[in-house]
Amino acid sequence: KQEVTQIPAALSVPEGENLVLNCSFTDSAIYNLQWFRQDPGKGLTSLLLIQSSQREQTSGRLNASLDKSSGRSTLYIAASQPGDSATYLCAVRQGYGQNFVFGPGTRLSVLP
Amino acid sequence: NAGVTQTPKFQVLKTGQSMTLQCAQDMNHEYMSWYRQDPGMGLRLIHYSVGAGITDQGEVPNGYNVSRSTTEDFPLRLLSAAPSQTSVYFCASSYFDRAYGYTFGSGTRLTVV
Repeated sequence: KQEVTQIPAALSVPEGENLVLNCSFTDSAIYNLQWFRQDPGKGLTSLLLIQSSQREQTSGRLNASLDKSSGRSTLYIAASQPGDSATYLCAVRQGYGQNFVFGPGTRLSVLP
Repeated sequence: NAGVTQTPKFQVLKTGQSMTLQCAQDMNHEYMSWYRQDPGMGLRLIHYSVGAGITDQGEVPNGYNVSRSTTEDFPLRLLSAAPSQTSVYFCASSYFDRAYGYTFGSGTRLTVV
């Protein structure tokens, strides 16, 4: 059974720092991996999706990498801003027509 | 493009009442699913569907029913509401292709008193 963990559970940084959020999964045979952002009391917004054949995806200040062999993905946020404060979740899908399995999330606070 | 639409946004039920949470998507996604999100528990899968007429149970299906008569709609029915079903419910949909991920609805906040 696939299990997804995220470290750290919470992170507080001053504005302007570059930071890395980690996602680990136990079964490396994944189909794709998706990173989401969730603001308090809101829904989930998709940030980046990496297919199993890809190593990384970039969108603006965000870069997500995937290392299937080690069962890891990282989300890199450059020049963090207070508006980046949210919970970040990663999710992995193992095959065609299968469900995404979610990690518990990392709660990020960026202090002005 | 409306994406994934959930209604209602908020609902208060009395114990024992029944209700249906609505989910509709206009992207012709094959896959649809329902999750509940509780503090400290993360997202837990309730039921999912891989196409019209096909549904299956997820991690926490007890007390909920689903059906999928069309590609677009995937309603979640609470048969006899219990306080333990107080939660935020999210509907998500996707294509099967690996180039696509989940699109989420905005959620329904349900309180059972």
